[in-house]
Amino acid sequence: DARVTQTPRDKVTEMGQEVTMRCQPILGHNTVFWYRQTMMQGLELLAYFRNRAPLDDSGMPKDRFSAEMPDATLATLKIQPSEPRDSAVYFCASGLFTSVHNEQFFGPGTRLTVL
Amino acid sequence: AQTVTQSQPEMSVQEAETVTLSCTYDTSESDYYLFWYKQPPSRQMILVIRQEAYKQQNATENRFSVNFQKAAKSFSLKISDSQLGDAAMYFCAYGTISNFGNEKLTFGTGTRLTIIP
Repeated sequence: DARVTQTPRDKVTEMGQEVTMRCQPILGHNTVFWYRQTMMQGLELLAYFRNRAPLDDSGMPKDRFSAEMPDATLATLKIQPSEPRDSAVYFCASGLFTSVHNEQFFGPGTRLTVL
Repeated sequence: AQTVTQSQPEMSVQEAETVTLSCTYDTSESDYYLFWYKQPPSRQMILVIRQEAYKQQNATENRFSVNFQKAAKSFSLKISDSQLGDAAMYFCAYGTISNFGNEKLTFGTGTRLTIIP
């Protein structure tokens, strides 16, 4: 049963620390998304990649956030330095986008708490 | 930019009854996708049902069906024979179309559904 995996599931850190969240997309999927969910803003798209190349990161604060795909099996989202307002659940999703396929499969999310 | 509105923050329904969750959206595009996602307490986002805007026929998946009114930009979800496992947050989402299919999803604020035994 193929699924998107994310680590860690929960992360508590102190303000100013670097945070790295990891995502393993479903094998064969060509597109990876990062979303953030908060009570105030709901679900927001931060960035996404097609065939490991960044396509859109306009939803991501550029000064402290960075997203990469070192290889086809790993996507990372880093926050440096972290701030309390970054506390949220971060979701990774992947999909195989063709003319007939368009579903995004979500991982279980990483709940980040910045103290 | 597209917007998605879910005007019902919370809904409740008796087990085995039918409930309808509302969703409206705003877009200037003629072709797009619409989705309903379910998020149970486990926080996993699960696709419930999807609708292609060019299809007039409403999508159905077992006990879940939609009422898609393109002119009114309305996309409601009907859950029949509600079960305890249906309790969750439900998100309506709009998906843009590109040469590679749906890409960006814009989500509504969600409706929390409670099932009363």
